[in-house]
Amino acid sequence: EDQVTQSPEALRLQEGESSSLNCSYTVSGLRGLFWYRQDPGKGPEFLFTLYSAGEEKEKERLKATLTKKESFLHITAPKPEDSATYLCAVQALSNAGNMLTFGGGTRLMVKP
Amino acid sequence: DSGVTQTPKHLITATGQRVTLRCSPRSGDLSVYWYQQSLDQGLQFLIQYYNGEERAKGNILERFSAQQFPDLHSELNLSSLELGDSALYFCASSSRTGEVYFGPGTRLTVL
Repeated sequence: EDQVTQSPEALRLQEGESSSLNCSYTVSGLRGLFWYRQDPGKGPEFLFTLYSAGEEKEKERLKATLTKKESFLHITAPKPEDSATYLCAVQALSNAGNMLTFGGGTRLMVKP
Repeated sequence: DSGVTQTPKHLITATGQRVTLRCSPRSGDLSVYWYQQSLDQGLQFLIQYYNGEERAKGNILERFSAQQFPDLHSELNLSSLELGDSALYFCASSSRTGEVYFGPGTRLTVL
């Protein structure tokens, strides 16, 4: 069974204080690892898909990296508007339907 | 704006009732997924359709059903509603390049 664990559950940062969010996964074969940002009451907003170990992708202050067992979302010099829940999900090769299995998320709060 | 649309935004109903949630995927996307998000369960996959055919099933209750129509929009039907069905219901569609985009969701409240 595919499993995704995110840590920490919550993270408080001061504006400008860089940090990383962790996503550990267990999957029979990885088709893709997805990162989303979700604001309260809103739909998840697509950020990145990573497909193979060693791959990195960047978008503004966010950088996602992937190894064979985990992914990190690095946030550089965060701003208060980066406050949100960040979700990680895996898509397994064995899934006929390409559905995503999500972790519980990391709630990020950035204080000015 | 992801390009995935869902209606209605909010739905308030009573236990035992039946409701229908509607989703239109992004233009050109053939796959539609339905997910449920509750406070204690996180995002859970319910069901997927691809070009009108059911492709995969997740943790979907027998009281719930879905279909995808020839114009590719999809409907999720929830019947004999219980208090525990109160949640956010999201629709998503996937592009040919593999990205999965979510709609804004329907918040269902069962009283």
